[in-house]
Parts: sequence; C-alpha cells; structure tokens
Amino acid sequence: AQKVTQAQTEISVVEKEDVTLDCVYETRDTTYYLFWYKQPPSGELVFLIRRNSFDEQNEISGRYSWNFQKSTSSFNFTITASQVVDSAVYFCALSEFNTDKLIFGTGTRLQVFP
Amino acid sequence: GAVVSQHPSWVICKSGTSVKIECRSLDFQATTMFWYRQFPKQSLMLMATSNEGSKATYEQGVEKDKFLINHASLTLSTLTVTSAHPEDSSFYICSAGLAGGDEQYFGPGTRLTVT
Repeated sequence: AQKVTQAQTEISVVEKEDVTLDCVYETRDTTYYLFWYKQPPSGELVFLIRRNSFDEQNEISGRYSWNFQKSTSSFNFTITASQVVDSAVYFCALSEFNTDKLIFGTGTRLQVFP
Repeated sequence: GAVVSQHPSWVICKSGTSVKIECRSLDFQATTMFWYRQFPKQSLMLMATSNEGSKATYEQGVEKDKFLINHASLTLSTLTVTSAHPEDSSFYICSAGLAGGDEQYFGPGTRLTVT
C-alpha cells in the first residue's frame, strides 16, 4: 500500500535559518512520482516540484532544494535562509504511475518568525 | 500555467439542504478531475476520481449517494453534497490533470459550512 509520512507536525524557525522538511514514502511500484505542495493560509495549494522515480538527482530552485534518496525512500525539502512568507503548511505527496491519484502526507506546518 | 477555478469559494447552508460545487479547467481540457476533502489542520483526503463521460470512482468510505459527482465535459466537474449535515463542513478542493502521472492543477478550494 502507498503511504506518505511527514513526521514533523510543526516547525518554528527564525528568519534566515535553514529548515528541512522530511518526507518518507512507501510504495510497491517501481514507477511513481513525488510532489511537494505549499498551502498558505489562503488554502490554495501551490505546486513546488514533481520528481519521477527514475530521477534521483537533487534539485535546487532558488532558496528551495530537494534531496531524493530511493535507498531510504525519502524526499526531503530544504528551505535556505527562510523568510516569513515561507510560513505555510507543506505537503509531500506520492502518485503511482498507473493511477494518477495523489496520496498526501499529513503535512508540516512551518512558522517563520521575524 | 494551467488554471483551475472553483465556485463558490465559500458557502454556508442549512442542514438538510444540498450544495453544488463547480470545478472548471479554464485553459486546458482535463482528462481526469479529482475531488479532495480537507478537515481543519488535517491532510487532503481523496474522495473520488472522475473521468469525462463516465461514472466517478469513489474512495473507500466515501458515500457515492451523498457526494454526487458529474463530469459532463472536459472542462467541468461538479460535486453535489446532498442532504448536508454539520459533519460535512470542510474544505473541498478539486484538481484537474492529464493522464500519465503528470502534474495536477488544483483549484482554490471551497469552504463549506453547514449550520
């Protein structure tokens, strides 16, 4: 069965600190996709990244970076030099290729204080 | 980028009435649309998957007679909450996507409050 675990329920940091959000997944498929979404207080989900299971290269986009490690079934997300605007709930999600359904983790609430 | 709209953005209704929520893909044709429900401070839970012109596929535990889904065209899906009760109060989010595990595009959500 597919499952996504985000063990960190809530994280608080002070502006300019780096923060890593953990995501561990379970799937029996060899082909799958991993996602990160941001949900600010407005509620609208903001797409951050999609990774397929055959691409283990780490990715950097501005202050955001992602570390995908199949050996540990993890897809962690790091925000460098965090800002108050980064405050939101972040969801990690898994999609198996033949279903297109997204299985979401429970989310990590990030609060960045000035 | 692809845009998905939802209408209404929020609705308050009385217990026992029905509420219809629309989900539209504005600039692309969506092969599949998904409906999610999110209770306060919880994760998104998939309710059902709908493909244009066919019956929706409901997740285990979701009452198909209570949550009616219609996907009449490639740009419109509707979710009707029938005989709503206070426990149906939630944030309902739709998404639209293309086949093949591609990115899903999410609507802004509809906050339903049943009094």
